[in-house]
Amino acid sequence: DAGVIQSPRHEVTEMGQEVTLRCKPISGHDYLFWYRQTMMRGLELLIYFNNNVPIDDSGMPEDRFSAKMPNASFSTLKIQPSEPRDSAVYFCASSKTGRPPLHFGNGTRLTVT
Amino acid sequence: DAKTTQPNSMESNEEEPVHLPCNHSTISGTDYIHWYRQLPSQGPEYVIHGLTSNVNNRMASLAIAEDRKSSTLILHRATLRDAAVYYCILRSHNAGGTSYGKLTFGQGTILTVHP
Repeated sequence: DAGVIQSPRHEVTEMGQEVTLRCKPISGHDYLFWYRQTMMRGLELLIYFNNNVPIDDSGMPEDRFSAKMPNASFSTLKIQPSEPRDSAVYFCASSKTGRPPLHFGNGTRLTVT
Repeated sequence: DAKTTQPNSMESNEEEPVHLPCNHSTISGTDYIHWYRQLPSQGPEYVIHGLTSNVNNRMASLAIAEDRKSSTLILHRATLRDAAVYYCILRSHNAGGTSYGKLTFGQGTILTVHP
């Protein structure tokens, strides 16, 4: 089992640019979550999907953020346009039947200059 | 979900047991107690969870107080690899139709293990 795979591991971009983060959940998992971690706010949930359908996006900070899950093995989190305050580590996680355990990827460290 | 309180940091020596406390005085009857840990530069990792009875697995043990207002994560023999931030999280597994995975992480306890 390869675990949850995220790409890229590091992303450095300039303010105003579009950023796309990618996630491949564990095969057979039907729930996918996007979390963000900053020093100030800790780990916070942005959005989650069940069977590729967005269920709760109340944590998405603003309209510049969007997430999609076109199929069971792939999800993207897009920021357009990016701002310096978006700098954080973004984690993707998946689970089966929405029950523990929750499996996290190793994250994408985003730096917006 | 009910709130948890953990010490900001703890220290231990290698190969000694570690007891990480968590207070959750407002826990509800359906809240499970979950522990995750986050090693440096990695995503959080599931450790253990329980409802009322003490639980053991290959990673750790979870001791739950009789009134469920507190719990303790026990690492029986700490190794350098156990140095991480440990999060104690309460979550119902049937939270009104919302997913278990909608976890609220606090600041956790930073565990330092000395060789």
